[in-house]
Amino acid sequence: DAKTTQPNSMESNEEEPVHLPCNHSTISGTDYIHWYRQLPSQGPEYVIHGLTSNVNNRMASLAIAEDRKSSTLILHRATLRDAAVYYCILIRSGAGSYQLTFGKGTKLSVIP
Amino acid sequence: DGGITQSPKYLFRKEGQNVTLSCEQNLNHDAMYWYRQDPGQGLRLIYYSQIVNDFQKGDIAEGYSVSREKKESFPLTVTSAQKNPTAFYLCASEIGGGYTFGSGTRLTVV
Repeated sequence: DAKTTQPNSMESNEEEPVHLPCNHSTISGTDYIHWYRQLPSQGPEYVIHGLTSNVNNRMASLAIAEDRKSSTLILHRATLRDAAVYYCILIRSGAGSYQLTFGKGTKLSVIP
Repeated sequence: DGGITQSPKYLFRKEGQNVTLSCEQNLNHDAMYWYRQDPGQGLRLIYYSQIVNDFQKGDIAEGYSVSREKKESFPLTVTSAQKNPTAFYLCASEIGGGYTFGSGTRLTVV
């Protein structure tokens, strides 16, 4: 399975934008880039996903590099509720069995 | 609303006891998964099931057992053979690569 690399932790001030990076240099052409986040003592929740083009939804934006070897999750205005561990995961289309491999993710702290 | 329900939220087990964690979903998803999470770590796959009456071992299946008699239900039994069961357990269902997770069960050995 292709692997992702994320910083262990990041800090942001409240109401400022946050850019969470993810490297996935061994990504294959059929791998989708997914982001999940996990609040303390909760299960992970879906944030956003994309293949090649940048994506926007009500929670965040996903910017994907042209060579697809890296991506960035963008929270446009961080709130205290965004403090969580963010996981970047690759899911292969058509694989038939989606066994997610979660690394340690990036722990985002939001400073009031 | 559709979702996944895990129960109980907290569970305490004595040494040598088997305990069963419940996971129920009403999303009509075929695939279901059990993960274990230790403090400060990512998730590790215990068992998964892609269809009723069928399941496969994940990376850390030793000391655990599952059943999948109904599409909606995928209970996990932590047996006495699991030597270090204290952890946060997460159940998930999935369709087309999109996962929905339950809120987890925190198991503690006392």
